[in-house]
Amino acid sequence: DGGITQSPKYLFRKEGQNVTLSCEQNLNHDAMYWYRQDPGQGLRLIYYSQIVNDFQKGDIAEGYSVSREKKESFPLTVTSAQKNPTAFYLCASSRGNYNSPLHFGNGTRLTVT
Amino acid sequence: AQTVTQSQPEMSVQEAETVTLSCTYDTSESDYYLFWYKQPPSRQMILVIRQEAYKQQNATENRFSVNFQKAAKSFSLKISDSQLGDAAMYFCAYRSPYTQGGSEKLVFGKGTKLTVNP
Repeated sequence: DGGITQSPKYLFRKEGQNVTLSCEQNLNHDAMYWYRQDPGQGLRLIYYSQIVNDFQKGDIAEGYSVSREKKESFPLTVTSAQKNPTAFYLCASSRGNYNSPLHFGNGTRLTVT
Repeated sequence: AQTVTQSQPEMSVQEAETVTLSCTYDTSESDYYLFWYKQPPSRQMILVIRQEAYKQQNATENRFSVNFQKAAKSFSLKISDSQLGDAAMYFCAYRSPYTQGGSEKLVFGKGTKLTVNP
């Protein structure tokens, strides 16, 4: 079955360390997205990519970086510059048309202490 | 910038009853898409229903339907014959086709937590 796989489900890191969250999709979707979810905040867009080797900053990109070397993969690196990295991170993909819904992965819960 | 407001942080409903979740949005655009997503305790976001702004007919998906009032910028979700499995966070979302760089970002509300009582 096609879908989006995020790994790991839970991730723990020490403050000051960079950490990379994995996102892989086999839906043949062109567009991919990273959202951050905090309690009472809804979902906020970190980065998105419409095609391979291209990506754009979302609303809260500071302290994060991404790459899109393959259509199927869109890893997110949470750097030590991110002031409040502890959150739930959701990856999504879509065909890229504005009427196409987003398909989401199961998310990664990152805890930084 | 577009904003989406869900004024009910929490709602509850008795099993088999009907509940309506509210959503309003702010935009100056004439065409856009609206979505309702469900996030159960597993935390995966699941598309419930979608509505294109230029379509006057309200979208329906089985027990889920919307009341789309374009002039009032309102997009409420009605769940009929509520089931225990409907318990979840529900997010309203707005998508514009005219965002920067031609992207199609989704703007989310803060969500409504729905509890279904047996």
